[in-house]
Amino acid sequence: QKEVEQNSGPLSVPEGAIASLNCTYSDRGSQSFFWYRQYSGKSPELIMSIYSNGDKEDGRFTAQLNKASQYVSLLIRDSQPSDSATYLCAGGGASKIIFGSGTRLSIRP
Amino acid sequence: DAGVIQSPRHEVTEMGQEVTLRCKPISGHNSLFWYRQTMMRGLELLIYFNNNVPIDDSGMPEDRFSAKMPNASFSTLKIQPSEPRDSAVYFCATIPGRTWVNEQFFGPGTRLTVL
Repeated sequence: QKEVEQNSGPLSVPEGAIASLNCTYSDRGSQSFFWYRQYSGKSPELIMSIYSNGDKEDGRFTAQLNKASQYVSLLIRDSQPSDSATYLCAGGGASKIIFGSGTRLSIRP
Repeated sequence: DAGVIQSPRHEVTEMGQEVTLRCKPISGHNSLFWYRQTMMRGLELLIYFNNNVPIDDSGMPEDRFSAKMPNASFSTLKIQPSEPRDSAVYFCATIPGRTWVNEQFFGPGTRLTVL
């Protein structure tokens, strides 16, 4: 069983709407959580990190962490075509970070 | 800074041949990771170095795979002999320090095709 789970998608969202990406993890000792964006044929790039329960906002992006439910999410407001990519959730602690398989997001005009 | 540098960017080889992938980390980053990405298995950690020392190689699939980091500015991942199932994109990533709370900076990747 993979330790970080994501719905593979594709998730199709109309331009201007809110895209909601979800991730669950199995290791209760995980302390650090990250969302990476990966465009087709490119390498992953970090867009958000979160370490404490609650919400963290950065521009159009909001990461949410609920350690009790072992759940991490990423909200993208005012979705743009340039947001179309695969989003990788990653979590872990002092010894290792595990990546999920990614969710493909498609923003339709 | 040029970022993490990987070479070659593309490699096509025949089954049984030796393949060597190279990575130059960002200057000052003392932790280096090798990942493999496929559609089926996603992004998998193969091996992790800290200060040139292998810390965790539990992700290395089998003895055909080996990795070295002879100095702070260079690492190699070798596959010998290569097999078609090794076809994947191999990424090198680095962080400044050992703690996993830091952002990982990924190189552009090497797309390996084994025929």
